[in-house]
Amino acid sequence: DAMVIQNPRYQVTQFGKPVTLSCSQTLNHNVMYWYQQKSSQAPKLLFHYYDKDFNNEADTPDNFQSRRPNTSFCFLDIRSPGLGDAAMYLCATSRDFVDRGAPGANVLTFGAGSRLTVL
Amino acid sequence: QKEVEQDPGPLSVPEGAIVSLNCTYSNSAFQYFMWYRQYSRKGPELLMYTYSSGNKEDGRFTAQVDKSSKYISLFIRDSQPSDSATYLCAMSGRGNNRLAFGKGNQVVVIP
Repeated sequence: DAMVIQNPRYQVTQFGKPVTLSCSQTLNHNVMYWYQQKSSQAPKLLFHYYDKDFNNEADTPDNFQSRRPNTSFCFLDIRSPGLGDAAMYLCATSRDFVDRGAPGANVLTFGAGSRLTVL
Repeated sequence: QKEVEQDPGPLSVPEGAIVSLNCTYSNSAFQYFMWYRQYSRKGPELLMYTYSSGNKEDGRFTAQVDKSSKYISLFIRDSQPSDSATYLCAMSGRGNNRLAFGKGNQVVVIP
């Protein structure tokens, strides 16, 4: 089955110790997104890639970086995690960033998430 | 005012009841409206997708969009314990895919 796979599902790190979360997709989608979701809150978009073009949200802290070495993989790097960065991190993909007349091309498919705990 | 308002209060219903969820929004540019279902410790999965106003039905699920009132709804008929999850509304405009999410409604269907 085509899908979006995130690893690890659970990550525990110490305050200030860098963390990398990974996402892979077999859907061959052009767009990959990283969202942060805290308990009982709406998912918050951190950034997205359209192919190799990186698009950072204006309010995403510099502490968060991303890499997309190829179509299938995308990484989220948290350089110095703070207690406030404890959250579920969701990777998502879509065929396109807008509709462009192809209904459903902008629909997001999410991975199962990586839950980050910061001690 | 937040772009999307969704009352996150937990909702408990007996099995077989109709579940009614709704979101309001402020951005008149929104054209695409989605409902995602999120089980505990899992990522959201798309449940319903609607473009512009109107109703859409899929099995026990009905999505309604009223753009004049900036109000969307999701109805679940004959609710089952397997419907117990958090339901997130999400929407975006034509020009980009920056989804605006609601906070989510936790639904518990009691057998």
